[in-house]
Amino acid sequence: EAGVAQSPRYKIIEKRQSVAFWCNPISGHATLYWYQQILGQGPKLLIQFQNNGVVDDSQLPKDRFSAERLKGVDSTLKIQPAKLEDSAVYLCASSLQGSDYGYTFGSGTRLTVV
Amino acid sequence: KQEVTQIPAALSVPEGENLVLNCSFTDSAIYNLQWFRQDPGKGLTSLLLIQSSQREQTSGRLNASLDKSSGRSTLYIAASQPGDSATYLCAVNDNAGNMLTFGGGTRLMVKP
Repeated sequence: EAGVAQSPRYKIIEKRQSVAFWCNPISGHATLYWYQQILGQGPKLLIQFQNNGVVDDSQLPKDRFSAERLKGVDSTLKIQPAKLEDSAVYLCASSLQGSDYGYTFGSGTRLTVV
Repeated sequence: KQEVTQIPAALSVPEGENLVLNCSFTDSAIYNLQWFRQDPGKGLTSLLLIQSSQREQTSGRLNASLDKSSGRSTLYIAASQPGDSATYLCAVNDNAGNMLTFGGGTRLMVKP
């Protein structure tokens, strides 16, 4: 089966600019996650979708971050305006409904804010 | 709130050694635990998934154990190879929703 697709792979922007990341999960996976991984740390959950509804966005900085999952498939994560501390790898993951089969991660988008 | 800790943070071993990576979690009411590998600049590759009812899982030279009551998991790598050099991440899925809580990872270097 095809894996989780993410784009772009790399992005460099200036602070206060906006940026968007795209994720296409594995076909049939109802649950989609966005994680932020700062260099040297483990990933931290930003938002979790079940189909096209938000399950958990408690750690999403909603003043600048937004995410949507239209039609319960693809998802976009947006940052506006970006800050220096947003420099990180943004990972998308998906799983079948429930987590008995684990999670599959994409290759991530590496964001550098200068 | 679940917290996951991995020790050591970094490890360097000569090729051929058997090694153990440790993971501990504060809330033992977990649904399952997953070990991942991450190569520099890359995403996460799933290695082993252990359900809460299981004690261990094996895949090739890898063996992961789970002691839920003590809040611990170990990843055992037999006969390490330079190609095993990567960061190994432990992640716990608790019962409240399906989010993963990750440890900080162990950076492994296997020297030829």
